[in-house]
Amino acid sequence: AQSVTQLDSQVPVFEEAPVELRCNYSSSVSVYLFWYVQYPNQGLQLLLKYLSGSTLVKGINGFEAEFNKSQTSFHLRKPSVHISDTAEYFCAVSDQSRYGGSQGNLIFGKGTKLSVKP
Amino acid sequence: DAGVTQSPTHLIKTRGQHVTLRCSPISGHKSVSWYQQVLGQGPQFIFQYYEKEERGRGNFPDRFSARQFPNYSSELNVNALLLGDSALYLCASSLAVGFEAFFGQGTRLTVV
Repeated sequence: AQSVTQLDSQVPVFEEAPVELRCNYSSSVSVYLFWYVQYPNQGLQLLLKYLSGSTLVKGINGFEAEFNKSQTSFHLRKPSVHISDTAEYFCAVSDQSRYGGSQGNLIFGKGTKLSVKP
Repeated sequence: DAGVTQSPTHLIKTRGQHVTLRCSPISGHKSVSWYQQVLGQGPQFIFQYYEKEERGRGNFPDRFSARQFPNYSSELNVNALLLGDSALYLCASSLAVGFEAFFGQGTRLTVV
């Protein structure tokens, strides 16, 4: 079964500093990778996804992630964070859906709480 | 455009009771999935429905059940509530199975 490990439960960082949130997944023949953000008392919002193609994926709010098949990693990065980026970030993986399409059921990591300080 | 809507937003139940959570998908979406998010954990997949048929089930006991209606809305039912069922329950809708999921804001269930 697929699994996702988010290596840091909490990441404190100062405003305008760069940040990297780490994610490793268990290997599979075909895998699709996602990063979601969850603000307090909110649902999940998709930041970016890797389905195929270029290993560098750009998402919303200036975030990007790099798919590394050999290291089974999908780390999320932002060159300069803002106070408003304070939230919890979840890495997720899915196998190809049995019914076709690119997204089967999502398996989430435990989350990384990003805290941006002024 | 309305996103995924869930009701109620919060509720408190007593152990042993039954609860029904509701979800309305984005207009045009025919698939609904349910996830449970316990405090401090990532969401865990419970069910997926498409065209009123169950298309996936996670590792949850039979106390958990769901259904999808002709208008594609969905209900999640939990019987014989346990303290451990306290969680945020998230509903996600997608055009069909295998397409991008859009999440609602969730229902916060507290079992006392």
